[in-house]
Amino acid sequence: DTAVSQTPKYLVTQMGNDKSIKCEQNLGHDTMYWYKQDSKKFLKIMFSYNNKELIINETVPNRFSPKSPDKAHLNLHINSLELGDSAVYFCASSPPRGRTEAFFGQGTRLTVV
Amino acid sequence: DQQVKQNSPSLSVQEGRISILNCDYTNSMFDYFLWYKKYPAEGPTFLISISSIKDKNEDGRFTVFLNKSAKHLSLHIVPSQPGDSAVYFCAATLSGTYKYIFGTGTRLKVLA
Repeated sequence: DTAVSQTPKYLVTQMGNDKSIKCEQNLGHDTMYWYKQDSKKFLKIMFSYNNKELIINETVPNRFSPKSPDKAHLNLHINSLELGDSAVYFCASSPPRGRTEAFFGQGTRLTVV
Repeated sequence: DQQVKQNSPSLSVQEGRISILNCDYTNSMFDYFLWYKKYPAEGPTFLISISSIKDKNEDGRFTVFLNKSAKHLSLHIVPSQPGDSAVYFCAATLSGTYKYIFGTGTRLKVLA
């Protein structure tokens, strides 16, 4: 009965490939996020969407393209993968605007070789 | 520019004693603060939060204190238990901005 689920949990791929990470939430939230945790363990926001509309793009290379087909899904597609893209990517969701918490998925560990 | 900072990367505490984790922020406009706990290979899990209009919030063994003038918050865990061993992140947000800004995390180890 997972609230925010991401697939796959692990992803190993070669440089130059294109890959996608899927995220789904069953909490009825309007807002969804992608966060990146790099090798220094910083959790940094990449994108946020509200009602399928892109709200925040935090200077992420345009090789990263989020897609929200509906409010419950926010997928992340990455083109031409580079070694520096290796990280753990977390999807999250929250109710909009209010003073409330975000719920996170279990993360996708992406390794580019 | 790190707006939320956790200056202690790690902390060890004896079981049964108090754990105090600290967090500093620079943006006085933040109006909501949160603490998350993270185990290896899992996503961050929400622990406790506090609105900027309060200075204390308590939930069981966990209490968060907010000192707005010092731009400082702390998480107290008492008594600490071995299962509390994890990385703790503080986070801050400003309503309507659609993002949570996280600190760098503090690894807490509770020794049995």
